[in-house]
Amino acid sequence: EPEVTQTPSHQVTQMGQEVILRCVPISNHLYFYWYRQILGQKVEFLVSFYNNEISEKSEIFDDQFSVERPDGSNFTLKIRSTKLEDSAMYFCASSEVIGAIPYEQYFGPGTRLTVT
Amino acid sequence: DQQVKQNSPSLSVQEGRISILNCDYTNSMFDYFLWYKKYPAEGPTFLISISSIKDKNEDGRFTVFLNKSAKHLSLHIVPSQPGDSAVYFCAASARAGKSTFGDGTTLTVKP
Repeated sequence: EPEVTQTPSHQVTQMGQEVILRCVPISNHLYFYWYRQILGQKVEFLVSFYNNEISEKSEIFDDQFSVERPDGSNFTLKIRSTKLEDSAMYFCASSEVIGAIPYEQYFGPGTRLTVT
Repeated sequence: DQQVKQNSPSLSVQEGRISILNCDYTNSMFDYFLWYKKYPAEGPTFLISISSIKDKNEDGRFTVFLNKSAKHLSLHIVPSQPGDSAVYFCAASARAGKSTFGDGTTLTVKP
């Protein structure tokens, strides 16, 4: 069964450093998302991406964050200068688009980001 | 402003009995609702969804009920199994893309 994959599974970085989290969505999916979950809190939407551009972003997704689809398979989330409060699980998700309506989102296993 | 609420942080049921997980929402623009199951150290796994034009959707042991007038949905699991023990998230979307998640309910099914 196709699945969303994410690398690395765990990333430790120092405050102020740049990190890139990588995702490979399901191959026939066209809508991509990033969510995060701070320990003990709810899953929070960060950004959605469709047709090579950001479709929607939350207030969390400030200028420190960017997304990119550098090729036909990868979808990346970059945090330019990490802060302690960026420590969280970051989930990538993808969904089909049928008639311009995205369907259920399928999530990857997540990348645990630890900022020290 | 918490638009999707799961008021019960935890639920414990006996194996074989029914589990009922509840979710309330405030945004009347939501038109698609989903339930996800999450194990520790894994990503959420899609379980079942319902469009706002329906009031019930069933898939095996899982049934989701939607009461639009009350802005309430529930997930029924019958019969509950120990493997169902996980955190269950309710999510809602108003249009293409973004899902808003509830806080989650931890379900424990006791053998």
